[in-house]
Amino acid sequence: EVQLVESGGSLIQPGGSLRLSCAASGFSVSSNYMNWVRQAPGKGLEWVSVIYSGDDTYYADSVKGRFTISRDSSRNTLYLQMSSLRADDTAVYYCARDPTYGDPWGHFDLWGRGTLVTVSS
Amino acid sequence: DIQMTQSPSTLSASVGDRVTITCRASQTINIWLAWYQLKPGKAPKLLIYEASSLESGVPSRFSGSGSGTDFTLTISSLQPDDFATYYCQQYHDYSTFGQGTKVEIK
Repeated sequence: EVQLVESGGSLIQPGGSLRLSCAASGFSVSSNYMNWVRQAPGKGLEWVSVIYSGDDTYYADSVKGRFTISRDSSRNTLYLQMSSLRADDTAVYYCARDPTYGDPWGHFDLWGRGTLVTVSS
Repeated sequence: DIQMTQSPSTLSASVGDRVTITCRASQTINIWLAWYQLKPGKAPKLLIYEASSLESGVPSRFSGSGSGTDFTLTISSLQPDDFATYYCQQYHDYSTFGQGTKVEIK
């Protein structure tokens, strides 16, 4: 079955670090453009980061310098390393697949169910 | 940054109604627009991409139209499974989403 399963979300104190994982099955994360998208409580969707060809990356301004996206082909897993976490990083974090190639920007045809990150003291 | 303005924010409708949601981009995005359906605790679902292309497996009662800055998602006959929140996404330059439209039971 083709699917994405996120994990790693938890309650973390402000200033802390956390690594989210997104395990893929049925396709290769290394052969696709992969993204992280988040949704804060009661808010809309916010794109966070993309990793695409040659492992090039882009980040939203709100997380640039604090978050790092990466992937491990041997584990077929996408990661999001988050540091210097703030209260406004509290959200459900989704990983999503972009089936297109070329530009780093595309639509997302496959999503996981998300993992909740709560930043609070 | 490209801003996406979606309306209405909430829509009350009955089963069988024709429903229309609009999304406006702050600058032209050609056809690089997608629509998603979100339900609590479930993975978001792609409905429409490239403004009017129906994703495989999505019922034909869903349709999308528009180009440039103005876009529309239409549900021709609302079904019980369609009560959810809908988001547009531009992917012309970076990726930004609209604020969402909650379709609720009237």
